[in-house]
Amino acid sequence: DTAVSQTPKYLVTQMGNDKSIKCEQNLGHDTMYWYKQDSKKFLKIMFSYNNKELIINETVPNRFSPKSPDKAHLNLHINSLELGDSAVYFCASSQNSLAGSSGTQYFGPGTRLLVL
Amino acid sequence: DAKTTQPNSMESNEEEPVHLPCNHSTISGTDYIHWYRQLPSQGPEYVIHGLTSNVNNRMASLAIAEDRKSSTLILHRATLRDAAVYYCILRLPHDDYKLSFGAGTTVTVRA
Repeated sequence: DTAVSQTPKYLVTQMGNDKSIKCEQNLGHDTMYWYKQDSKKFLKIMFSYNNKELIINETVPNRFSPKSPDKAHLNLHINSLELGDSAVYFCASSQNSLAGSSGTQYFGPGTRLLVL
Repeated sequence: DAKTTQPNSMESNEEEPVHLPCNHSTISGTDYIHWYRQLPSQGPEYVIHGLTSNVNNRMASLAIAEDRKSSTLILHRATLRDAAVYYCILRLPHDDYKLSFGAGTTVTVRA
């Protein structure tokens, strides 16, 4: 029944490793997002996909590569992990294409990434 | 992006109302005012949004100043479960679909 789900919930890994975080939404939304929340608790948009097309790509290192196999999934792959990548990563989704839609975003529970 | 200004923190007693102010003096005519909150160890959740008129829903009320340069989120009867960081965000109807979060207001509710 979870609207936006992420796996894994916790991820502890060594520097230099490659890891992926998965996100799925069952709301039928057309837009999905990845946000990063750092240790100072600031939430920043990283990427957004609308109907499987990349529409937002903030200044994120190219070690981060999002992939959207379909409208319900948006995965985040991170190459060569660094200490500074430690953060909580949130996936979100919204419906934006319908006329009058508010674009309310629904967030997942987060993935807590710790790079050692 | 249009900016918002919120107090860093507010305290309230349980069962009392909480009024959370937000200043957005550079708001443009098509910016929607959105409020989200983030409970401890959870993802942000939508609270309410409005454009010009005051809005009510089951979670809260949103009072928007006539000149739209400020707004107030009202929690009518705070409970311990309302302790969270509350974010006031301006969003264009189709501003690349993104939300730009500030520092928000940390609300503490005393039993």
